[in-house]
Amino acid sequence: SSELTQDPVVSVALGQTVRITCQGDSFRSYYASWYQQKPGQAPVVVIYGKNNRPSGIPDRFSGSISGNTASLTITGAQAEDEADYYCNARDSSGKHVVFGGGTKLTVL
Amino acid sequence: QVQLVQSGAEVKKPGASMNISCKASGYTLSAYYMHWVRQAPGQGLEWMGWLNPKSGDTNYAQSFQGRVTMTRDTSINTAYMELTRLSSDDTAVYFCTRWASGTLDPWGQGTLVIVSS
Repeated sequence: SSELTQDPVVSVALGQTVRITCQGDSFRSYYASWYQQKPGQAPVVVIYGKNNRPSGIPDRFSGSISGNTASLTITGAQAEDEADYYCNARDSSGKHVVFGGGTKLTVL
Repeated sequence: QVQLVQSGAEVKKPGASMNISCKASGYTLSAYYMHWVRQAPGQGLEWMGWLNPKSGDTNYAQSFQGRVTMTRDTSINTAYMELTRLSSDDTAVYFCTRWASGTLDPWGQGTLVIVSS
């Protein structure tokens, strides 16, 4: 199976732009999904596919892939964006799913 | 709306088994694969496996092979996940989540399982 690597902690000033990255060979074949998880809550998908946002997700969230790195960008971070963010994708076999270790985003 | 509602918290003894249910509403269970993911206290998300509710086919993460069984009852739109030979390392919140459009959405509310003697 594949591994996905995320920075454990990232911070951003209120209103600024932040990029959270996820590295892994999976992204040479598959798109990433990004999930936001707040304390005591279930994860919620914020980006999936090429750069798709489910209904209700603000357009300040966007996603991209370059080589083996997937990125989640928040343009104009808000206080409510403070959360843990996880990337995931299919593994190299295509039959399993893998998650990154998660990134704790702090909005200063 | 599409919703997954899981069974309630459990406390188990080491060596026992757990069985969590996940009732789907707003869609037909057999139309989408169901995945199970767990999260130990303060830790990240760990994928456990998937169930094809239409055929009953399953695929499990290597780390759970031999201990996990995912099943379903399509007549009541419910999926189940059984984990046997529990140890304290299995203390976690367990989530069911639907695979749709290449992503996991929505997620159940989570079921806390505590394994303690």
